[in-house]
Amino acid sequence: EIVLTQAPGTLSLSPGERATLSCRASQSVSRTYLAWYQQKPGQAPRLLIYGASSRATGIPDRFSGSGSGTDFTLTISRLEPEDFAVYYCQQYGISPRTFGQGTKVEIK
Amino acid sequence: QVQLVESGGGVVQPGRSLRLSCAASELTVSSYSMHWVRQAPGKGLEWVATMSYDGSNIYYADSVKGRFTISRDNSKNTLYLQMSSLRGEDTAVYYCARENPDKDYAMDVWGQGTTVTVSS
Repeated sequence: EIVLTQAPGTLSLSPGERATLSCRASQSVSRTYLAWYQQKPGQAPRLLIYGASSRATGIPDRFSGSGSGTDFTLTISRLEPEDFAVYYCQQYGISPRTFGQGTKVEIK
Repeated sequence: QVQLVESGGGVVQPGRSLRLSCAASELTVSSYSMHWVRQAPGKGLEWVATMSYDGSNIYYADSVKGRFTISRDNSKNTLYLQMSSLRGEDTAVYYCARENPDKDYAMDVWGQGTTVTVSS
């Protein structure tokens, strides 16, 4: 099973700041099968990024994904109030599909 | 509007069974691979089960293998998760999700979730 480790666990930032979230895999992951999801309290996860760097439908361009191999990054260029949430990475190239433990982006 | 709506959650005693449903709108469950994902209280996301679009491939997480069964009824356009021999660690919000080949097989549509509590 591929273990995804997200860092940091919590990111305390102010609106307008840049957020950089890391997702490290225990073994190489095809970039085609790496996704990022956003989850707000009481809501279902929402797909943000698929294929490591492609934005899902309706996702603002302040969200971007990058990386390959075992290291992937989600960047939010300028935090908006609605971006404060928990973010999960997921790999789905090797069964079983696995999620990272999440990074909480909170208001500083 | 493409939508998935889960139902069937509730409070159940350990060892008992429960069946969850995921009704689809503007989406044909038999045209997509579909997943169940759960989230224990205060915890992260855990993949539970997958049924391929043609029904020929079914996969389970080790934690539920032999106890949970994923199925679907094409006539009702509904996905199911039959859960038996329930344990306390199965307590979670259960989500169904669509896998979209146009999104590199990521899960692009999710239901709102249904809560399962296993407690005596």
